[in-house]
Amino acid sequence: NAGVTQTPKFRILKIGQSMTLQCTQDMNHNYMYWYRQDPGMGLKLIYYSVGAGITDKGEVPNGYNVSRSTTEDFPLRLELAAPSQTSVYFCASSGGTSIYEQYFGPGTRLTVT
Amino acid sequence: DAKTTQPPSMDCAEGRAANLPCNHSTISGNEYVYWYRQIHSQGPQYIIHGLKNNETNEMASLIITEDRKSSTLILPHATLRDTAVYYCIVRTGANNLFFGTGTRLTVIP
Repeated sequence: NAGVTQTPKFRILKIGQSMTLQCTQDMNHNYMYWYRQDPGMGLKLIYYSVGAGITDKGEVPNGYNVSRSTTEDFPLRLELAAPSQTSVYFCASSGGTSIYEQYFGPGTRLTVT
Repeated sequence: DAKTTQPPSMDCAEGRAANLPCNHSTISGNEYVYWYRQIHSQGPQYIIHGLKNNETNEMASLIITEDRKSSTLILPHATLRDTAVYYCIVRTGANNLFFGTGTRLTVIP
């Protein structure tokens, strides 16, 4: 199993541009999550999903959108990128026999200038 | 959700036990204690979780006080690869984990 994969690894955006961060898991997990981590800080939950077709806001959802059309994929959309969205973005999943354990991807480092 | 308090940093000699404390005095009866760690810039890694009883797995032991207001994560024989930020999280379920700033553990050769 590849676990949780994220693309791209790095990206530089100009202010006002849009992009989609991709996240895929191959563990058949129902739950998926998007977090952001600013320098020197802990992770903050942006959005999460408890299954295909179901998403909900986390702590810091403004400026982001998500969709969950399949169990495997949970893309995060940034519309009108702002410098405040410069951060490292982590996708995670949980479910199956280990619902208490979230598996994290390697992260996407995003810079908005 | 209950808040947690952790020391910002700790050092531990290589080969010795690392004991990482966490206070969660407002924890409620159905909230679990989770521990994760984050090595350098990687994604966080689950370590262990518990509700009331002490727990042990291949990575660590979790000691929860009888009143559940505090807990200690024990890495029995710390190695250099255990240098990381360790997060103590209290939550009712597996979702919406709140990661604070954690404890930065440095294992010293």
